[in-house]
Amino acid sequence: EVQLVESGGALIQPGGSLRLSCVASGLTVSSNYMNWVRQAPGKGLEWVSIVFSGGGTSYADSVKGRFTISRDNSDDTLHLQMNSLRVEDTAVYYCARSFCGGVSCYFDYWGQGTLVTVSS
Amino acid sequence: HELTQPPSVSVSPGQTARITCSGDKLGDKYPCWYQQKPGQSPVLVMYQDNKRPSGIPERFSGSKSGNTAALTISGTQAMDEADYYCQAWDISTYVFGTGTKVTVL
Repeated sequence: EVQLVESGGALIQPGGSLRLSCVASGLTVSSNYMNWVRQAPGKGLEWVSIVFSGGGTSYADSVKGRFTISRDNSDDTLHLQMNSLRVEDTAVYYCARSFCGGVSCYFDYWGQGTLVTVSS
Repeated sequence: HELTQPPSVSVSPGQTARITCSGDKLGDKYPCWYQQKPGQSPVLVMYQDNKRPSGIPERFSGSKSGNTAALTISGTQAMDEADYYCQAWDISTYVFGTGTKVTVL
C-alpha cells in the first residue's frame, strides 16, 4: 500500500522560509514523478512543482525562483524549500505521485496535506 | 492554459449529474477527474477521458467532445456530494479546472 505523509507546515511571516517534507512508503521516490499540489483555503487545486524520475524539475510560474523541489533517495523523502513566502502562498500543500500512461498524466496517490499559513 | 468548470451543479438523488470542463487546447489532451470531499485529499475518479480507477463505481463515466470534457454521475447518491476537478497535462505542466461543487438535494 502506498502512503505519502507530509510534514513541516507552520505559521510563518511574509518573506520567511519553510521546508516541507513528504515521506513515501510503498513506492520509491526516485523512480516516480513526484509533485507538490496546493489548495488555498476555500479555493481550488493548484499544481506547484514536479521532480521527474530522471531528476529534472518544473515549477508553476507563481512559485518559480522562490520554491525548490528536491528528493532524498536514501530515505524516499520529497522536499519543498519555500523562500520569500507571500500571503498568497497560504494553502494546504499536498504531496502527490503523478503517473503518465502514454497519452495522459494524472495524480493517483495523494498525501493528507500540511497547512502553511503566511501571515504577520 | 485554463480549464473552466461551472461553479456548482445540483442534482436529486437517483438522477444524473453532468459536470463540464472546457479549455482551448483540451481537444488535444486526455483530461482526468478528481473528487474531493470536505477535509479530505482529492481522489482520482476518471483518467484518460473515460477510464475508471479500481474501486470507482460504474455510475461515474467520462467523455469528451472537441474542447469540452464531461464527467457524468448516473444514479447520483448522497455520497457523491463533493467538489470535482478536471485536470490536464501539458508539457511538464499540470493544469486543474476551476472546480465544481456537486450538491445532492
